[in-house]
Amino acid sequence: DVKVTQSSRYLVKRTGEKVFLECVQDMDHENMFWYRQDPGLGLRLIYFSYDVKMKEKGDIPEGYSVSREKKERFSLILESASTNQTSMYLCASSLPVVETQYFGPGTRLLVL
Amino acid sequence: DQQVKQNSPSLSVQEGRISILNCDYTNSMFDYFLWYKKYPAEGPTFLISISSIKDKNEDGRFTVFLNKSAKHLSLHIVPSQPGDSAVYFCAARDAGGTSYGKLTFGQGTILTVHP
Repeated sequence: DVKVTQSSRYLVKRTGEKVFLECVQDMDHENMFWYRQDPGLGLRLIYFSYDVKMKEKGDIPEGYSVSREKKERFSLILESASTNQTSMYLCASSLPVVETQYFGPGTRLLVL
Repeated sequence: DQQVKQNSPSLSVQEGRISILNCDYTNSMFDYFLWYKKYPAEGPTFLISISSIKDKNEDGRFTVFLNKSAKHLSLHIVPSQPGDSAVYFCAARDAGGTSYGKLTFGQGTILTVHP
C-alpha cells in the first residue's frame, strides 16, 4: 500500500520563525510536490522535485524553499514565517510523467 | 491566471440522485484530466481520470465526461451516497516537455449528499 507521511498534522509558529515541514514517501517515486490548500483557491503548487537535489518552482514559491537530499524525503522550509502562510500544506509523490499523485494527510500550519 | 476552474463552490444533492460536478480549463496543452476527492483532515485521494483522446471514462458509480472543443469536463456520481460528501478537485496535466507530471488543480467543489 502506498504511503506518504508528513511530520506533523498541526503546527503553531510565531511570525519570523523558521519552519520545517517534512514529507517521506515509501514508494520509490522520483517526483515529489508541495502544495498549499486555501479555501476558494484550491491546491496551489509551491515547489516540486523530479530527482534528488533537483527542484523546480511551482506557481507560488515566494517565501518558501525546499530540500531533497534523499529520494524518499522532501522538505519544505519557510525561512521567516508570516501570517499569510497560515494554510494547509500537502505533500504528494508520483512516478515520472505519470499523472496520478499520492498525497500525504497534510499539515495545518498556523502562524501567529 | 486560473487555468483550471471549478465555478461552483458547493453542491447539495439528495441521496440516490445524480451529482454533477463541472470543471473548465483554458490550456489546450492539457492532455490528461483527473478528479480527486478530499475528506476533512485527510489528503486528496485519486478518484478517476480521462485521457484527452477519450470523451468518457466510467468506474462504477463514477463517470467522467470530456468535451475538448468546449474545454469542459464533468464528473457524474450515480447514485449519490452520503459517504460521497467531500471536496472534489479537478486537475489537469500539462503535456509540455518540462512538466514532469505536474498537475494544475481547480478550486474545488464541496459536495454534500443528504440522506
